[in-house]
Amino acid sequence: DGGITQSPKYLFRKEGQNVTLSCEQNLNHDAMYWYRQDPGQGLRLIYYSQIVNDFQKGDIAEGYSVSREKKESFPLTVTSAQKNPTAFYLCASRLRRNSGNTIYFGEGSWLTVV
Amino acid sequence: GENVEQHPSTLSVQEGDSAVIKCTYSDSASNYFPWYKQELGKRPQLIIDIRSNVGEKKDQRIAVTLNKTAKHFSLHITETQPEDSAVYFCAATVTGGGNKLTFGTGTQLKVEL
Repeated sequence: DGGITQSPKYLFRKEGQNVTLSCEQNLNHDAMYWYRQDPGQGLRLIYYSQIVNDFQKGDIAEGYSVSREKKESFPLTVTSAQKNPTAFYLCASRLRRNSGNTIYFGEGSWLTVV
Repeated sequence: GENVEQHPSTLSVQEGDSAVIKCTYSDSASNYFPWYKQELGKRPQLIIDIRSNVGEKKDQRIAVTLNKTAKHFSLHITETQPEDSAVYFCAATVTGGGNKLTFGTGTQLKVEL
């Protein structure tokens, strides 16, 4: 778990601004994921990436964008098109693409719109 | 896509009692079922998982059971302790398809002294 670093821990966004959440892992994991957590709704998948330079939309991708230029990095941009971005954002990673290996989470980033 | 339902949403037990949390899933192709524990403001941490080729798995005071026919799986915690108080999430996925976990909505477990 300690090999997944998210930053910043807390972020405040003004209306109309784009913000980027960083996720870095040194576990040599192939797959990376972004989840959003709201109270009482569990975790919902935003985007995921199985290999470098490839990513797919999850269940709630609208208003978000990602990139995967390096294996260890999977930043998430929350755009102004995301109308209700206040939430706890969790990045995760997994070792192999086509197995049931464990998904590990980073410590999360709290985003608040002010 | 997969849909996971989790019950109850809150559970209060006395210290030393057992706690059971139940989940159902909709996609019969799902074959990997992890359980995560999340303390307030912290990351979810894997506590136990089960694959579809087994019906039960134990790890000390924690066990998980799986009924593939009924598409049910459950978390059992015995001899509960105050430090077991947290939110517990079940999840399901089909391995080989990106391992996109679909989570239940969580159970707030409170262990009272």
